Amino acid sequence: ILNVEQSPQSLHVQEGDSTNFTCSFPSSNFYALHWYRWETAKSPEALFVMTLNGDEKKKGRISATLNTKEGYSYLYIKGSQPEDSATYLCASANRDDKIIFGKGTRLHILP
Amino acid sequence: EAGVTQFPSHSVIEKGQTVTLRCDPISGHDNLYWYRRVMGKEIKFLLHFVKESKQDESGMPNNRFLAERTGGTYSTLKVQPAELEDSGVYFCASSQYGRPNEQFFGPGTRLTVL
Repeated sequence: ILNVEQSPQSLHVQEGDSTNFTCSFPSSNFYALHWYRWETAKSPEALFVMTLNGDEKKKGRISATLNTKEGYSYLYIKGSQPEDSATYLCASANRDDKIIFGKGTRLHILP
Repeated sequence: EAGVTQFPSHSVIEKGQTVTLRCDPISGHDNLYWYRRVMGKEIKFLLHFVKESKQDESGMPNNRFLAERTGGTYSTLKVQPAELEDSGVYFCASSQYGRPNEQFFGPGTRLTVL
């Protein structure tokens, strides 16, 4: 994998349901994996940065895991709320400090 | 503490015109980055300043783009002349020296070239 790939591209989830999406990244020369939450016209907000294989981070109802050997990360949202609607961006940083972004997963929470 | 700010928030120009985008990083952040997101695609790196020096400009698409950071504070990104494919959201980010993985993003400038 040469690029950062995120799936799905778009997701509609009923309020109250839990959901997750995936980020695949190049495992060679890997240094760190970032998740950002981005609402249009606002600054992308850093959610997590993970560096070690097996890392798990949690922030409220949102959590993320990291597998550096196979090159993927999952982002989980438990009990989705309307305010979770946003684009979730994954970015991989290599040891040369280059950050490569995925296209994002656009999450829509349905009332 | 103020975050990264960008001006303008939106710009609509015609093909062939010039536009200058401004970024004010967080005070004290030596690292300043420019990124661009074209509609439907991923955010792509354009260039990286350390203070006033260009550390890496490998992402700049062509010589119509000129970035400056005189004095090592705010930065400008000029597009001259603008083309249709330059439309997108231009993000600026900054980080402390030695902390490239702790970048704080601005809200972006949405550029539309007609």
